[in-house]
Amino acid sequence: AQKVTQAQTEISVVEKEDVTLDCVYETRDTTYYLFWYKQPPSGELVFLIRRNSFDEQNEISGRYSWNFQKSTSSFNFTITASQVVDSAVYFCALRDSGGSNYKLTFGKGTLLTVNP
Amino acid sequence: DTEVTQTPKHLVMGMTNKKSLKCEQHMGHRAMYWYKQKAKKPPELMFVYSYEKLSINESVPSRFSPECPNSSLLNLHLHALQPEDSALYLCASSRAGRTDTQYFGPGTRLTVL
Repeated sequence: AQKVTQAQTEISVVEKEDVTLDCVYETRDTTYYLFWYKQPPSGELVFLIRRNSFDEQNEISGRYSWNFQKSTSSFNFTITASQVVDSAVYFCALRDSGGSNYKLTFGKGTLLTVNP
Repeated sequence: DTEVTQTPKHLVMGMTNKKSLKCEQHMGHRAMYWYKQKAKKPPELMFVYSYEKLSINESVPSRFSPECPNSSLLNLHLHALQPEDSALYLCASSRAGRTDTQYFGPGTRLTVL
């Protein structure tokens, strides 16, 4: 069965600090898909990135970057020069190719607070 | 455009009321989802519609009744709810494939008195 662990329940940083959110996953499948979503206080889950298991290339988008490491089953997310608007709950999610593969397995989320 | 809209934003209802939540997308997606999210928890899948047919029901109580009138619309009919059903209800959509990215709406905050 698949599992996603976000060990950091809450992180608090001061604006302009860099912050890394950890995500460790478990799956028996060789083909799977990893996602990060952002949920600000307004409630909407905003899609940030999708990574396929066969694509280990890291990604950078502005201040955001993602480090996918199959060897350690991790898909970590780094925000560079954090801003107050980055304050949100961030969810890492996994979908593998087995079972009901419409279903996303979410981690418990990490609440990031960026203080001015 | 990756917009999913939901109405209403907030809903307060009594345990004997009947109400409906509405979700709409115009991205040409053929899969639509209802999730329930309690405070400080991740979303939990309730229902999946694929090509307007109910594909997955995650053992949701019958007081929740989904409906997919067409490929752009998804409703969730509520009847005889309990206070513990108070939560954020999120709608999502994706292209037809099972591994496609799901895009979420802003949610409806439901309070059952």
